[in-house]
Amino acid sequence: KNQVEQSPQSLIILEGKNCTLQCNYTVSPFSNLRWYKQDTGRGPVSLTIMTFSENTKSNGRYTATLDADTKQSSLHITASQLSDSASYICVVSSGQKGFKTIFGAGTRLFVKA
Amino acid sequence: NAGVTQTPKFQVLKTGQSMTLQCAQDMNHEYMSWYRQDPGMGLRLIHYSVGAGITDQGEVPNGYNVSRSTTEDFPLRLLSAAPSQTSVYFCASSWAGQGIYEQYFGPGTRLTVT
Repeated sequence: KNQVEQSPQSLIILEGKNCTLQCNYTVSPFSNLRWYKQDTGRGPVSLTIMTFSENTKSNGRYTATLDADTKQSSLHITASQLSDSASYICVVSSGQKGFKTIFGAGTRLFVKA
Repeated sequence: NAGVTQTPKFQVLKTGQSMTLQCAQDMNHEYMSWYRQDPGMGLRLIHYSVGAGITDQGEVPNGYNVSRSTTEDFPLRLLSAAPSQTSVYFCASSWAGQGIYEQYFGPGTRLTVT
């Protein structure tokens, strides 16, 4: 069964600290993997997109990695800010042109002052 | 560009009622999709469309209908609402081209069925 599992479920860190969120997937065939940020009450917003051949992608203070052999991805947030408090969702696309999308349940990040 | 818009923002229905959730995008995207988001779960794909006149089922299609008569609009119809359909619904759009990459999401519709 195609699944995307994220850990931890929630995380509390102090402002300025770094953190890493994990994503494991069992999706096949693989098309691409994306990380989204979702603020409370809003739709998800794309952070990074990686295809099979890419193993790292950065977007400002966000850096995503992908190991297609072990089917694992991580999202590293550097020098966290209060505005980073949100849910971070890992999404894997599958099937013809990636039309089938499987979402992880997300990691809820709280950044405290 | 307005991006992806959804209406209404909130809706309360009684069991058995029908309604249509509206979704529109002004980016000329071929691919549009509907998801539901329930507490503690990832977004689940309900239906998707790869262009006007073409729709297909996602992971949880039962109880929902869609049609795509224009590139811009992709309404989601609840035929006979049930309490299990209480959820937050998101519409998204994307270029298709070589594959689905970046998706743009609407602000969501929070639906409660009593």
